[in-house]
Amino acid sequence: AQKVTQAQTEISVVEKEDVTLDCVYETRDTTYYLFWYKQPPSGELVFLIRRNSFDEQNEISGRYSWNFQKSTSSFNFTITASQVVDSAVYFCALSWYRGGGADGLTFGKGTHLIIQP
Amino acid sequence: DAGITQSPRHKVTETGTPVTLRCHQTENHRYMYWYRQDPGHGLRLIHYSYGVKDTDKGEVSDGYSVSRSKTEDFLLTLESATSSQTSVYFCAISGQGASPLHFGNGTRLTVT
Repeated sequence: AQKVTQAQTEISVVEKEDVTLDCVYETRDTTYYLFWYKQPPSGELVFLIRRNSFDEQNEISGRYSWNFQKSTSSFNFTITASQVVDSAVYFCALSWYRGGGADGLTFGKGTHLIIQP
Repeated sequence: DAGITQSPRHKVTETGTPVTLRCHQTENHRYMYWYRQDPGHGLRLIHYSYGVKDTDKGEVSDGYSVSRSKTEDFLLTLESATSSQTSVYFCAISGQGASPLHFGNGTRLTVT
C-alpha cells in the first residue's frame, strides 16, 4: 500500500533560519514520482517539484532544495534563509498506478511551517 | 494557471439534503480528481476519473458518488449530506499519468 508520512505537524522558526521538512514514503512500485506542494494561507495548492524515482540528484531552486534518498525512502525539502512568505502548509505526495490507465497521487498530512519575523 | 473552475465556492446545507459540487476544466485533460481536506488528515482522495465515464473510488468514497459525462466536467454528489462531510473539497486535473496535479480553488462545504 502507498503511504506518505510527514512526521512534523508544525514547525516554527525565526526568519532567516534554515528549515527542513521531512517526507518518508512507502511503495512497492519500482517506478514512481514524488512531489511537493505548497498551500499558503490563501488556500490554493501550488505545485513545487516532481522527482522521478530513478533520479536521485539533489535539486536546488533559489532558496529551495530537495534531497531524495531512495535508500531511506525519503524526499526532504529544505528552505534556506527562510522568509515570512514561506509560511504555509507543505504537502509531500507519491504517485500510484492501478492499471487500466488509472493513476494519481497520495498525499501526506502536511507540515504547517510558521516563519516568525 | 490551469483552467479549473469549482462551483460553488462556498455552500451551507442541512443534514440529509443532496449536494452536488461541480468541477469544470478547459485543458482537455484526461484525469480528474476529487479530494477533501480536513485538519489533521491532509488531502484524501474521494473519487477520480481517468476518462469519460471511467471513474473509480478513492480512500474515502463512502457517502459520495461521481459522474463524468464529458471531458470537461466532473461532478461530486453527496446523496444525503452528513456533518462529517463538512470539509474543503478540491478538484484536480492532470494530463498524463504521474504528471503534477493542478488544483482548483476549492469549495468550502458546511453541513449543519
